[in-house]
Amino acid sequence: DIQMTQSPSTLSASVGDRVTITCRASQSINSWLAWYQQKPGKAPKLLIYKASSLETGVPSRFSGSGSGTEFTLTISSLQPDDFATYYCLQYRTHSRTFGQGTKVEVK
Amino acid sequence: EVQLVESGGGLVQPGGSLRLSCAASGFTFTRNWMSWVRQAPGKGLEWVANIQGDGSEKNYVDSVRGRFTISRDNAKNSLYLQMNSLRVEDTAVYYCTRDWGGTEKTFDYWGLGTLVTVSS
Repeated sequence: DIQMTQSPSTLSASVGDRVTITCRASQSINSWLAWYQQKPGKAPKLLIYKASSLETGVPSRFSGSGSGTEFTLTISSLQPDDFATYYCLQYRTHSRTFGQGTKVEVK
Repeated sequence: EVQLVESGGGLVQPGGSLRLSCAASGFTFTRNWMSWVRQAPGKGLEWVANIQGDGSEKNYVDSVRGRFTISRDNAKNSLYLQMNSLRVEDTAVYYCTRDWGGTEKTFDYWGLGTLVTVSS
């Protein structure tokens, strides 16, 4: 099975900061990686798919990059609505795997 | 509009069984793999199982293989998860989600989730 290692587990930041979250796969997943945002008590929301494609309706301050085993989610200028937990997901294989999550909290 | 509505959660004793259902609408159900994803209280997301559009292929996370069975009824646009031999560690919110459908996306729509509590 493919393992996904996400870092950091917690990130303290301020409004306006540039934020970067990393996900590493245990083997190549090409570009079959997605990023999700989850707020407490809510279902996750798709932000990025195929490593770098922005989901419809998602603000352009979110971007994704990477391929193979190293991937990054970047928020160019953190907004109040962005404080949440973020997860990566590999879908290279039909047995899906999530990263452990990164909580973005107020500094 | 795509909608996924889960039902069937509740309180069950260890060793017991429960069947979750997910009613899908707003898209061509048979074209999509479908998945169940769970989240234990205060923990991260865990993919549980998925099933191909025609039901011919199924995959499971190791921790539930042999205890849980995923199925679908395409005539009813419904997805199911039969959970047997439940353990305390199966306590979680269970989400139904739209998996691969031939595009480059996955898990693009989610239900609101149904809570399963395994406790004596």
